[in-house]
Amino acid sequence: EVQLVESGGGLVQPGGSLRLSCAASGFTFDDYAMHWVRQVPGKGLEWVSGISWNSDNIGYGDSVKGRFTISRDNAQNSLYLQMNSLRAEDTALYYCTKDVSMKAGFYMDVWGKGTTVTVSS
Amino acid sequence: EIVMTQSPATLSVSPGERATLSCRASQSASRKLAWYQQKPGQAPRLLIYGASSRATGIPARFSGSGSATEFTLTISSLQSEDFAVYYCQQYNNWPLTFGGGTKVEIK
Repeated sequence: EVQLVESGGGLVQPGGSLRLSCAASGFTFDDYAMHWVRQVPGKGLEWVSGISWNSDNIGYGDSVKGRFTISRDNAQNSLYLQMNSLRAEDTALYYCTKDVSMKAGFYMDVWGKGTTVTVSS
Repeated sequence: EIVMTQSPATLSVSPGERATLSCRASQSASRKLAWYQQKPGQAPRLLIYGASSRATGIPARFSGSGSATEFTLTISSLQSEDFAVYYCQQYNNWPLTFGGGTKVEIK
């Protein structure tokens, strides 16, 4: 079964840092690009970041550029999101998603259940 | 950035009726457009890619059309399990962008 399991969410103060992880299973992880997508409860979807299969191609949404860093470890079948200088507006459910291609500019056919990040003092 | 605008925000439809959802791009997305369905408490599910190709396991009552800046998702005969929020997403340019969603509710 293809599965993505996120972890690492929690409560953090404004200005703080958090590292999200995503464990992938059921498919050949290093054959596919991966993404992080977030959703404020009751609101729409926002693409956060994407990374190609070999980490050569990386992109970020404007709202997180310079603060968040995406990375992957193909040997560990894992995706990460390092989030620094967190703001209240980063509060959301963060989904790990699988791209349909090796590049990171397509659509997403597998989604995890998400991990919740709350930024509050 | 390509801004995606969905309309209407909410669509009230009776079971068995047809639903037509619209997605407009601020600049051409070619046919690089996907549709997702999200039910309460669940992650989104891929329905349509390439503007009109159904994803694996998606029933034939779901169809997509359009190109460039105008796209449509049609649900030919709404079933109870189809009441959900639907999002479009363009992948013609980075950053990838989603529409704000259309909630399909029971009339």
